[in-house]
Amino acid sequence: QVQLVQSGGGVVQPGGSLRLSCAASGFTVSDYGMHWVRQAPGKGLEWVAFIRSDGTNEYYADSVKGRFIISRDISENTLYLQMNSLRAEDTAVYYCAKNFGAALTAGDYWGQGTVVAISS
Amino acid sequence: DIQMTQSPSSLSASVGDRVTITCRASQSISRYLNWYQQKSRKAPKLLIYTASSLHSGVPSRFSGSGSGTDFTLTISSLQPEDFATYYCQQTYSVPWTFGQGTKVEIK
Repeated sequence: QVQLVQSGGGVVQPGGSLRLSCAASGFTVSDYGMHWVRQAPGKGLEWVAFIRSDGTNEYYADSVKGRFIISRDISENTLYLQMNSLRAEDTAVYYCAKNFGAALTAGDYWGQGTVVAISS
Repeated sequence: DIQMTQSPSSLSASVGDRVTITCRASQSISRYLNWYQQKSRKAPKLLIYTASSLHSGVPSRFSGSGSGTDFTLTISSLQPEDFATYYCQQTYSVPWTFGQGTKVEIK
């Protein structure tokens, strides 16, 4: 069955970097687009980034553009989010999600979430 | 960016009630609208995609409708396991924005 297992969160100082991982099983990340979505404490959901199934295009929220990079390793069947120049407002639970299908954009399976806290 | 506005922000209802949540887009998004359920800040679950298509395994008491700028999520008979926060999301154009959420609480 489809499973997404996340790792890599933690506490980082402002200006620091962190890489989140999302290990997929039950499907191949090269067959589906993948999302990152975050949720700040007490707030709603915010879409962060997406990578197409063929890896040719990536899309980002304006709030992270130029600082975050979404990527995947097909050999490891793992999705990544490299987060640089971190700010206090990046503090959130980060979720990875598998995209529903080629012609449809929706997160149909989600990871368990990983906490990122930016604090000095 | 397309803004998504949900109403109400919260509601109280009883088991068996019919519940309707509204989502309005700041511009037309055709039917590119998803609905998610989130319980106790766990990972969200996809309920409805393309405005009215029920995701696999989702009970038939959930339904979605609408197109253009106005959309609704309806729970025909509220069950104890339905008390949660519901989010709409537009996927018409990047960034794929969410509504602020509607919390459904027990009356």
